[in-house]
Amino acid sequence: QVQLQQWGAGLLKPSETLSLTCAVSGGSFSGYYWNWIRQPPGKGLEWIGEINHSGSTNYNPSLKSRVTISVVTSKNQFSLQLSSVTAADTGMFYCARRNLLRGEIDYWGQGTLVTVSS
Amino acid sequence: DIQMTQSPSSLSASVGDRVTITCRASQGISYYLAWFQQKPGKAPTSLIYAASSLQSGVSSKFSGSGSGTDFTLTISSLQPEDFATYYCQQYYSYPLTFGQGTRLEIK
Repeated sequence: QVQLQQWGAGLLKPSETLSLTCAVSGGSFSGYYWNWIRQPPGKGLEWIGEINHSGSTNYNPSLKSRVTISVVTSKNQFSLQLSSVTAADTGMFYCARRNLLRGEIDYWGQGTLVTVSS
Repeated sequence: DIQMTQSPSSLSASVGDRVTITCRASQGISYYLAWFQQKPGKAPTSLIYAASSLQSGVSSKFSGSGSGTDFTLTISSLQPEDFATYYCQQYYSYPLTFGQGTRLEIK
């Protein structure tokens, strides 16, 4: 049973850096892209970016200047850093697995609520 | 970016009904279309990929169709647990993009 367990700081001040980590268990770490997706309160889903096991990344151009996604293959973990946060970055952040060959997202983490407030 | 537009944005239906949600892409995406279900306060779950293939463990009451720019998600025999928000998502090109969601409510 594939599980994605995520954690990170839930309350940030403007200009700080958001940092979240997602640990993968119950399945292979290679053969997939590991994704971050966010959801502002009451709104829809926005793709942030992804990384594969070898460290190759793809980012949403709308966030690219502020996003870093990294991987620690030995721990089956990947992380998100989003710099210079503002209140507009408040919302739920999800990690997710995307099949490298077929392309679809199949498993999601439980989500982490991040609030940016002074 | 490819824009994904869902209709309707909200939908009221009764237990036992059959409903259809539409998703339109701003350009052709072949069959690279997925559907997700999200219940309040929960993470999304994956229902369908490749426009019409059911994810493992998902009830056959969910079905998808379409290719190119126009896609549909049909849910048959609605049960109370099916009332949720549904999202389509294209994975044909970067950045991956989602529809705005369709909220399915009990009438």
